[in-house]
Amino acid sequence: AQRVTQPEKLLSVFKGAPVELKCNYSYSGSPELFWYVQYSRQRLQLLLRHISRESIKGFTADLNKGETSFHLKKPFAQEEDSAMYYCALSAIIQGAQKLVFGQGTRLTINP
Amino acid sequence: DAGVTQSPTHLIKTRGQQVTLRCSPKSGHDTVSWYQQALGQGPQFIFQYYEEEERQRGNFPDRFSGHQFPNYSSELNVNALLLGDSALYLCASRELGAPTNNEQFFGPGTRLTVL
Repeated sequence: AQRVTQPEKLLSVFKGAPVELKCNYSYSGSPELFWYVQYSRQRLQLLLRHISRESIKGFTADLNKGETSFHLKKPFAQEEDSAMYYCALSAIIQGAQKLVFGQGTRLTINP
Repeated sequence: DAGVTQSPTHLIKTRGQQVTLRCSPKSGHDTVSWYQQALGQGPQFIFQYYEEEERQRGNFPDRFSGHQFPNYSSELNVNALLLGDSALYLCASRELGAPTNNEQFFGPGTRLTVL
């Protein structure tokens, strides 16, 4: 079975401080992982995907297969980073792709 | 391109009633997935449609059914509504045949309240 766990429902840090949102997954196949973000009153949107190995809005995430983790990090948090963050695993079952989401972490950046 | 659109925005129903939610995918996309997002939870996969057929289904009862039309738009139907069906229903689209790491684009959702 596929599972994504985000252990922190709420995370609060001060502006300029580093931030790390944790994500652990369980999947028997080759994992493809994403971070989605939902800003206030906006729709769910892709932040980054592991295969791109890129930095988006200063965020990075590295897939660690040994620890089955895909933590999201940013060295210096900004107030506009306050949002709901979801880690998601892409699972291919019988040729159809579905996303398995964690329950999300609400990140609040304090001024 | 307006991206993925969903209607209605909000809906209030009573227990036992039936509801139909609608989704139009992003231009160029032919695959539509539906997700249920209960309050305080992440989205949960309901099912996926392409070529007008249900291709994969999550852990949802048969009360949840769907349809995809030749223009790739889709409907989600829920029969015999229960209080626990109250949630935000999200539609997502992607292009079939695109790499599996390709982004799914989400609509704004339909907020269903069952009284």
